[in-house]
Amino acid sequence: DQQVKQNSPSLSVQEGRISILNCDYTNSMFDYFLWYKKYPAEGPTFLISISSIKDKNEDGRFTVFLNKSAKHLSLHIVPSQPGDSAVYFCAASAFGGTSYGKLTFGQGTILTVHP
Amino acid sequence: ETGVTQSPTHLIKTRGQQVTLRCSSQSGHNTVSWYQQALGQGPQFIFQYYREEENGRGNFPPRFSGLQFPNYSSELNVNALELDDSALYLCASSPSSGSTDTQYFGPGTRLTVL
Repeated sequence: DQQVKQNSPSLSVQEGRISILNCDYTNSMFDYFLWYKKYPAEGPTFLISISSIKDKNEDGRFTVFLNKSAKHLSLHIVPSQPGDSAVYFCAASAFGGTSYGKLTFGQGTILTVHP
Repeated sequence: ETGVTQSPTHLIKTRGQQVTLRCSSQSGHNTVSWYQQALGQGPQFIFQYYREEENGRGNFPPRFSGLQFPNYSSELNVNALELDDSALYLCASSPSSGSTDTQYFGPGTRLTVL
């Protein structure tokens, strides 16, 4: 049962343009959502998070949008830079139940930003 | 401020052996979570330790066990290694065990089982 899904395995974007990475979830007990970036041979690096009481959170070039009714979140990167090329993981944690305190990850999206 | 560290970086074992992986949490963090990441997949939750007690467990067999020490560092032990245990093992620490406590990851230990 894949509770967090990233349906696009890869995304290719031109430098300076917007990158939009998408994530869908099924567990209505998820109340906190995070995006991590991962380079090969490194651990995931925390990028940005959003609580379920918000619908948008912004940090520099990164903005996360949450649509609770659609159980969908997205990460926008503007402008995209070649150094943003990495695997991006969406993750969620729940306020109760068996998922409490643990992160449930999507499968990841490989972002490639071309110069 | 020191981040999350893990040791060793790489490890090669044979089937049936036992392995211990180590993690030092970030300063001020009392919660450590362990994840297994297979190739091409997202990390899968193994278990979490909060103040030296197991505080949640994922869908992993009992041969995966752990410890957390008074300084909040942690160990992951895997007995009777199987080929499918080959993966990147990630440790993450967080300020506490709440659902809105951001988890910060270490660089991981790459385990290969032959």
